[in-house]
Amino acid sequence: KQEVTQIPAALSVPEGENLVLNCSFTDSAIYNLQWFRQDPGKGLTSLLLIQSSQREQTSGRLNASLDKSSGRSTLYIAASQPGDSATYLCAVGSYNTDKLIFGTGTRLQVFP
Amino acid sequence: DARVTQTPRDKVTEMGQEVTMRCQPILGHNTVFWYRQTMMQGLELLAYFRNRAPLDDSGMPKDRFSAEMPDATLATLKIQPSEPRDSAVYFCASGLSPLGNYGYTFGSGTRLTVV
Repeated sequence: KQEVTQIPAALSVPEGENLVLNCSFTDSAIYNLQWFRQDPGKGLTSLLLIQSSQREQTSGRLNASLDKSSGRSTLYIAASQPGDSATYLCAVGSYNTDKLIFGTGTRLQVFP
Repeated sequence: DARVTQTPRDKVTEMGQEVTMRCQPILGHNTVFWYRQTMMQGLELLAYFRNRAPLDDSGMPKDRFSAEMPDATLATLKIQPSEPRDSAVYFCASGLSPLGNYGYTFGSGTRLTVV
């Protein structure tokens, strides 16, 4: 059974710092990994999708990497801003099923 | 901008009442998911459909929950009778299989409170 863990559970940093959020999964037989952002009381917004054949994806100040063999992904946020404050969730999709299994999230606060 | 539409946004109901939540997936998407989010459990997959056929509803309490797709533009999640422990945010998501290429798009959710 696939299990997804995110570390740290919460993070509070001053504006301008570069951040790394971690996601680990127990079954390396995945076909993709997706990072989402969730603002309080809102839905999930897809940030980056990495397919199993890829090593990383970039969008603006965000960069996500994937190491299937070690069961890890990292989300790198460069030059953090208060507007980045949200919960970040990673989710993995496994072969032979369309299910997306979520981690418990990292709650990020960036203060001015 | 294509999006998944969920109604209602908020629902407060008394214990024992029937609750129906609706989802309009993105046009052309063939896979629809229902998730429930609580502080304690995080995001849990309740059920999902591909081409309107239910593929997996093992995450759903079958005695009170039911999920259907009457047509390709509508998915419903019903709870009858509702209980206070059902209070949560219910999300619908849609995607295009094979999902390895495209990922999921989520709706804004229905916040359910059962008193």
